[in-house]
Amino acid sequence: DVKVTQSSRYLVKRTGEKVFLECVQDMDHENMFWYRQDPGLGLRLIYFSYDVKMKEKGDIPEGYSVSREKKERFSLILESASTNQTSMYLCASSLSPVEQYFGPGTRLTVT
Amino acid sequence: GEDVEQSLFLSVREGDSSVINCTYTDSSSTYLYWYKQEPGAGLQLLTYIFSNMDMKQDQRLTVLLNKKDKHLSLRIADTQTGDSAIYFCAESLITGGGNKLTFGTGTQLKVEL
Repeated sequence: DVKVTQSSRYLVKRTGEKVFLECVQDMDHENMFWYRQDPGLGLRLIYFSYDVKMKEKGDIPEGYSVSREKKERFSLILESASTNQTSMYLCASSLSPVEQYFGPGTRLTVT
Repeated sequence: GEDVEQSLFLSVREGDSSVINCTYTDSSSTYLYWYKQEPGAGLQLLTYIFSNMDMKQDQRLTVLLNKKDKHLSLRIADTQTGDSAIYFCAESLITGGGNKLTFGTGTQLKVEL
């Protein structure tokens, strides 16, 4: 069974803080993705990576950065959190073009 | 650019069929997907269809693809309360070494007794 885990289910941070969201997958997948999910907007792609140390911007990369030092781990970084980054963050990984496997999500609140 | 649209809500009675619709704009999509999200959980792949097919059936699920109109639908037969969830359609675009998915807004399906 493919497992994608995210470091926290719920997180509360203050405006201006640096925030790290961690994602780990155990199936040796090359591709990893970070999305944010907002009501009425669906999922929007922030960044993705198709190999270690490789990253590509998604549709809404502003205010975020990522790090992929090891194949199994993909981190999303909010350099200076703002209230408009309050959202559900979902990580996914894939090997084939067909299916992405999702983690349970991290609900981040920035106050 | 890609844009995937869905209606936001659908309410059906238990035992009826549900039909969730989706329109997409990128004609170069290779696969189209339906994902299910239960409350408090991540997304789970329900089914997918290759772009050169027009129908796929998997137990209670039927996917119809009209490539000319860029319209995708998911029919759930004999809908149960356990089918209550948000359903996302998505289209894929192969880029770099992986596949990039563009998701719709999601349709909240409510199944009433």
